[in-house]
Amino acid sequence: QQQVKQSPQSLIVQKGGISIINCAYENTAFDYFPWYQQFPGKGPALLIAIRPDVSEKKEGRFTISFNKSAKQFSLHIMDSQPGDSATYFCAASKAGANNLFFGTGTRLTVIP
Amino acid sequence: EPEVTQTPSHQVTQMGQEVILRCVPISNHLYFYWYRQILGQKVEFLVSFYNNEISEKSEIFDDQFSVERPDGSNFTLKIRSTKLEDSAMYFCASKPRTGEREQYFGPGTRLTVT
Repeated sequence: QQQVKQSPQSLIVQKGGISIINCAYENTAFDYFPWYQQFPGKGPALLIAIRPDVSEKKEGRFTISFNKSAKQFSLHIMDSQPGDSATYFCAASKAGANNLFFGTGTRLTVIP
Repeated sequence: EPEVTQTPSHQVTQMGQEVILRCVPISNHLYFYWYRQILGQKVEFLVSFYNNEISEKSEIFDDQFSVERPDGSNFTLKIRSTKLEDSAMYFCASKPRTGEREQYFGPGTRLTVT
């Protein structure tokens, strides 16, 4: 059973463009939704996270949009740069539980 | 900035052998985790550890796996008898305290079982 579904699998964006990655979940007990960035050969690094009591969170060029009724959340990368080229994972977890459920990842390539 | 460290970065072992993967979580963090990532696939939870005992484990974490915090700094994952399908990146993560949700990941150990 796939707890968190992520799309697209890969994404190519021009430098300066907007990158959008989408995730959907089924379990309404999830109450914490982080995004991780992973470069080849490295571990996932926490990028930004949101709780369901807000619909949007912005940190610099990165924004999470959250739609509780649709059980969807997305990552927007504004003014995408070649240095943003990485794999992005969405994840979710429940209060009181310890494990993160990860999406399948999106490989982002930003073309100069 | 404090970070999670893992050793070795790459481990090659023969099927049936025991391996121990080592992690040093961020100092003063209380919750520790192991995840794995098979090449090209998503990151999967294996086990969480708090107060010197396993607090949760996934169905992947069977009797072949064990975890230990042998001293005040190290956190280890032991695979008793490795199988080919154990080949993956193994990530250690840690979290500061109850109520905090952010988990911080180490760089991983690539395990290759031949």
